[in-house]
Amino acid sequence: EAGVAQSPRYKIIEKRQSVAFWCNPISGHATLYWYQQILGQGPKLLIQFQNNGVVDDSQLPKDRFSAERLKGVDSTLKIQPAKLEDSAVYLCASSFSSLNGYTFGSGTRLTVV
Amino acid sequence: RKEVEQDPGPFNVPEGATVAFNCTYSNSASQSFFWYRQDCRKEPKLLMSVYSSGNEDGRFTAQLNRASQYISLLIRDSKLSDSATYLCVVNGLTGGGNKLTFGTGTQLKVEL
Repeated sequence: EAGVAQSPRYKIIEKRQSVAFWCNPISGHATLYWYQQILGQGPKLLIQFQNNGVVDDSQLPKDRFSAERLKGVDSTLKIQPAKLEDSAVYLCASSFSSLNGYTFGSGTRLTVV
Repeated sequence: RKEVEQDPGPFNVPEGATVAFNCTYSNSASQSFFWYRQDCRKEPKLLMSVYSSGNEDGRFTAQLNRASQYISLLIRDSKLSDSATYLCVVNGLTGGGNKLTFGTGTQLKVEL
């Protein structure tokens, strides 16, 4: 079974620039999540999709972050404009149902300078 | 109070030791529980689910106490390869459905 694919692996941008991350979940997984993990902390949920609908985006800073999951498969997460405090690893995860454990992708390590 | 609380450690133990991690959660309506392992600069990986009856997988034993809202992970006969961060994870019902909430993780260092 192929895992959760994410790209790019690393990204360095200047503050106020924009950046986008891509995620392809495990085939058949209806639930997709984006997490932000700041160094030394546990992952924090940014947004949860069920198929192509958003079920929880309460912790997404909507003034600068946006995410979509067209056709209920791939997803993109965008930050515009980026701030220094956005430096973190952005993890995408998917699961067959929200009651099961998740499978994470390898993440995108973002550095904002 | 944090939704999921863990002692961040680090726990430095000699090879062969037994070590236990604890975790508490605040949402009494939480439905399922997990331990994840995260190696340095890697993504979290599911280690095991946690059940009220307790469950064991080789050298690893997980326990859940719903009354005390407490989860534990016991590692026996520690190996160098067990060195990692162990994340306590709780699946709770929110307005948007079920959501996994992660603790900050407990760092384990197994030494010769």
